[in-house]
Amino acid sequence: EAGVAQSPRYKIIEKRQSVAFWCNPISGHATLYWYQQILGQGPKLLIQFQNNGVVDDSQLPKDRFSAERLKGVDSTLKIQPAKLEDSAVYLCASSHNTGELFFGEGSRLTVL
Amino acid sequence: GENVEQHPSTLSVQEGDSAVIKCTYSDSASNYFPWYKQELGKRPQLIIDIRSNVGEKKDQRIAVTLNKTAKHFSLHITETQPEDSAVYFCAASRNDYKLSFGAGTTVTVRA
Repeated sequence: EAGVAQSPRYKIIEKRQSVAFWCNPISGHATLYWYQQILGQGPKLLIQFQNNGVVDDSQLPKDRFSAERLKGVDSTLKIQPAKLEDSAVYLCASSHNTGELFFGEGSRLTVL
Repeated sequence: GENVEQHPSTLSVQEGDSAVIKCTYSDSASNYFPWYKQELGKRPQLIIDIRSNVGEKKDQRIAVTLNKTAKHFSLHITETQPEDSAVYFCAASRNDYKLSFGAGTTVTVRA
């Protein structure tokens, strides 16, 4: 079974630039999550989708972050404009109905 | 929202000894408590989980205990081995919704 796919794995941008991350969940997984993991901290939930609907985005900084899952499968997370404090690993995860989250390898963002 | 606190932040144990990590949660309605292991540069992976209808669960050398009254749960690793060295995260959620993670515990097993 293929795992959660994410790209790009690494991205370096300057502050005020924009960046987009892509995620393809495990086939059949209705729930998709984007987490932000700052170095030395636990993953912080940014947004949770159920199919193509948003379940929770209360911790998403909506002035600069946006995410979509238009067809209920893959998803894109965008940051525009980026700030220095956005430097982190962006983890995508998916789940079926067991509660277990399956994480992708993550996209490491460095903002200079 | 849910707030999960995890202690200690680092833990060094001699190979063969036990390791214990403790977490507390704030939302009394939380009913799902998983533990994830993240090796250096790798993705987090589920190692064990417990739901609020049980007080303890074991899987070989790892076990998790839950005290709903005190709102805390713990991970116990017995007979630690070098491959147990990793960062461990506890988490909590209500009905698998909005899983909140602790800050993590870096476990180092000394040979």
